[in-house]
Amino acid sequence: QQQVKQSPQSLIVQKGGISIINCAYENTAFDYFPWYQQFPGKGPALLIAIRPDVSEKKEGRFTISFNKSAKQFSLHIMDSQPGDSATYFCAATANTSGSARQLTFGSGTQLTVLP
Amino acid sequence: GAGVSQSPRYKVAKRGQDVALRCDPISGHVSLFWYQQALGQGPEFLTYFQNEAQLDKSGLPSDRFFAERPEGSVSTLKIQRTQQEDSAVYLCASSPRRRGLAGGKDTQYFGPGTRLTVL
Repeated sequence: QQQVKQSPQSLIVQKGGISIINCAYENTAFDYFPWYQQFPGKGPALLIAIRPDVSEKKEGRFTISFNKSAKQFSLHIMDSQPGDSATYFCAATANTSGSARQLTFGSGTQLTVLP
Repeated sequence: GAGVSQSPRYKVAKRGQDVALRCDPISGHVSLFWYQQALGQGPEFLTYFQNEAQLDKSGLPSDRFFAERPEGSVSTLKIQRTQQEDSAVYLCASSPRRRGLAGGKDTQYFGPGTRLTVL
């Protein structure tokens, strides 16, 4: 059961352009939505995260937009740079009593920013 | 300071062999997670430790998978009688927080992973 659906699978953007990655979730118990960036041969690294009580969070060139009613959230990368080329994962986690706060990941988006 | 480290970085096993994968979390981190990442997919949860206690092993795919963290720091993931479908990258993550705490960051810090190939 895929609880977090991510699209597109791959994305090619010109340098300076805007990269947009979308995710949708099903579990209404999710209450924390991080985005992770993964370079080849490395583990995922936290990029930015949001809680559902806000509709947008911005950190530098990275912005998360969150639509609670639609159960959707997206990552926008402004002024995309070749160094941003990596795989991006959206994730979600729930504060469920009696269980670990494990991350449920989307399937990933491979972003390529052309110079 | 040092991040999460994992060893070995690469492991090739023949089908049926047992393997042991090690994780050294960030010093002082209470929570430790293991994830399995198949090629081209997102990581999937395997198991969770709070200190030395294994509080959730609901993601372990079969009884061939076993994890331990006897002293609440280093953890080992063991896979017995490996099968080809076990081929994946095994990621370890640690977090300073206990499970279930509301508020603040729930940041998990990931290691580089161990790539397991079963022939």
